[in-house]
Amino acid sequence: AQTVTQSQPEMSVQEAETVTLSCTYDTSESDYYLFWYKQPPSRQMILVIRQEAYKQQNATENRFSVNFQKAAKSFSLKISDSQLGDAAMYFCAYKEGSSGGSNYKLTFGKGTLLTVNP
Amino acid sequence: KAGVTQTPRYLIKTRGQQVTLSCSPISGHRSVSWYQQTPGQGLQFLFEYFSETQRNKGNFPGRFSGRQFSNSRSEMNVSTLELGDSALYLCASSSDSYSGNTIYFGEGSWLTVV
Repeated sequence: AQTVTQSQPEMSVQEAETVTLSCTYDTSESDYYLFWYKQPPSRQMILVIRQEAYKQQNATENRFSVNFQKAAKSFSLKISDSQLGDAAMYFCAYKEGSSGGSNYKLTFGKGTLLTVNP
Repeated sequence: KAGVTQTPRYLIKTRGQQVTLSCSPISGHRSVSWYQQTPGQGLQFLFEYFSETQRNKGNFPGRFSGRQFSNSRSEMNVSTLELGDSALYLCASSSDSYSGNTIYFGEGSWLTVV
């Protein structure tokens, strides 16, 4: 079974600084997708960024970028110019790309609580 | 375009009762999935429906069930509630036009079992 591990339960960063959240995953599949979701106190899961495993280029969305190391099964999230509104729980998630039952679900890590200090 | 809508947002039930939660997916999305979030177990997949058919089910007891209607709206039901069922239940939808479709979440339904 696929597993997703986030080894940092909590992280903090100063406003305007850069922070990197770590995520590793375990899978025997070659076709899959990786996501970072943000869950603020409202508890709604908000998509931050996604990465297709077949793409070598790291995904970027404004201040958010990933470092995808497929061989190492690592998928870290870098937040640049951190803002107070970035404070939230961040979840790394995995989804299979092949057809079949497992394609329809996300497997989540335990999350990293990010605090942004003014 | 409206997002994923879940009702009710908050509810309190007594042990032994049953509960039904509702989810309306994003317009045009035919895949609806449910997740349970607790402090201890984190986010766990419950089940997923597409065109009124359950395609995948997580490792939960039979007390947890769901269904999907022809308009893609979905409900999940938990019977004989236990204290451990207290959780945030998140519904998500996807267009499922290809395997890499992003899954979008609702704001969740908070269930407290007393």
